[in-house]
Formats: sequence, C-alpha cells, structure tokens
Amino acid sequence: QQQVKQSPQSLIVQKGGISIINCAYENTAFDYFPWYQQFPGKGPALLIAIRPDVSEKKEGRFTISFNKSAKQFSLHIMDSQPGDSATYFCAASIPSGTYKYIFGTGTRLKVLA
Amino acid sequence: DTAVSQTPKYLVTQMGNDKSIKCEQNLGHDTMYWYKQDSKKFLKIMFSYNNKELIINETVPNRFSPKSPDKAHLNLHINSLELGDSAVYFCASKKQGESSPLHFGNGTRLTVT
Repeated sequence: QQQVKQSPQSLIVQKGGISIINCAYENTAFDYFPWYQQFPGKGPALLIAIRPDVSEKKEGRFTISFNKSAKQFSLHIMDSQPGDSATYFCAASIPSGTYKYIFGTGTRLKVLA
Repeated sequence: DTAVSQTPKYLVTQMGNDKSIKCEQNLGHDTMYWYKQDSKKFLKIMFSYNNKELIINETVPNRFSPKSPDKAHLNLHINSLELGDSAVYFCASKKQGESSPLHFGNGTRLTVT
C-alpha cells in the first residue's frame, strides 16, 4: 500500500526527443507527488511537484501529468538534452504526523548527443 | 551557502569499527531525515526527527543510532559496522507540518571493507 512503482528502470533518448517516466501508487492518502533529479555524486534535488487536485503542471521543459482515478503520474521531459542525463525519482508523501516520503525505484536517463 | 551539509563525504573503514556521520542544515527546517541509498540507487528512509524528537524509525538495526542535539543537526552513529552497511547515506530536511520538498545533502559514501 505504501509502494510507489516506477518505470522504466532505464531510458535512452536522442537529443531533442521526449523522455517519459511513469509512476503508480496504491495509497489514496498520498497528497504530494514530487519528482527528484540526481546527478552522480550529488543528492537528489527537487525538479517539479504536483498535488492531486491538479491534473498537469509544467515548468519549462518538464511536465507532470497526474491521473487521480488511475493513481498514476508521469514526468515528461520535452526537447531532452544531454545535460538531462541523470537518475530520476518519483515520490509520494503521506500526510500523517510523520510526513513520510516514499520514493520510486529510480529511472536512469541517458540522452544521446 | 550549502543548505544541507554532510561530513565526511567519503568514509572507508573496516568491519567492526564504529563511525559517525554529521549533518547540518541552515534552512530553518524542523524536520530532518536519514536516507540510505544502496548500489541499485534505491532510496530508503531510515530515521526522521522533528524538533529533536524521533518520529520515524524504519526497522533499522539498533547498531544505527541517530542523535539530534538541536533542530539544525542530525548525526548518525553506526556501531560494529558490517559489509552490508556500505552505501551512500543522505541527510535531508523539510519544513515542519506540511507536505513540502525534501532538501538533500550530497551524501556520505560509506565503504566497509
């Protein structure tokens, strides 16, 4: 119930292409869905986040699509660039007193020049 | 100014030793976390403190003992290190009482030989 399933595990995209990473969850109590980007040797950094009352959020080349009924959300990276090559994690937050964050298993994205 | 800083960045030690990792945040956050990232990049929560009080303890062996001297610091002490403890340990912090972004440090890579 507290899992967040992420796919694909790895992704190779040509420069200028669209990268799509998907996540699914079971617990309808989750109320905050961030995406994190991690470069080698660095900690994960917040990329973009969405709450379940919104179906889409766009920030620059990055868009989250959220489907509440299907309990799925996805990250779209438009015009992918080699500098986007990193590991991406989706996450979900439980709105209890513990504010626990559950992370997906990560997607290693490689954008070919 | 580093928001969440961890020391040391690298830690190489032998089995059976005791070691500590320190974390400090200057964001004024009340909630701090320790996460473990294994070789497959899985991010797993270990502990969370809110205003120096332990609120999450995720079935971590009692060889791991977190300590929060004040709300800006959360240290992790590990006794009797084992080979399986080799991983990257991330400290993170967030604002209290709301679903808001986690801010991660750059990690401590622990290698147990």
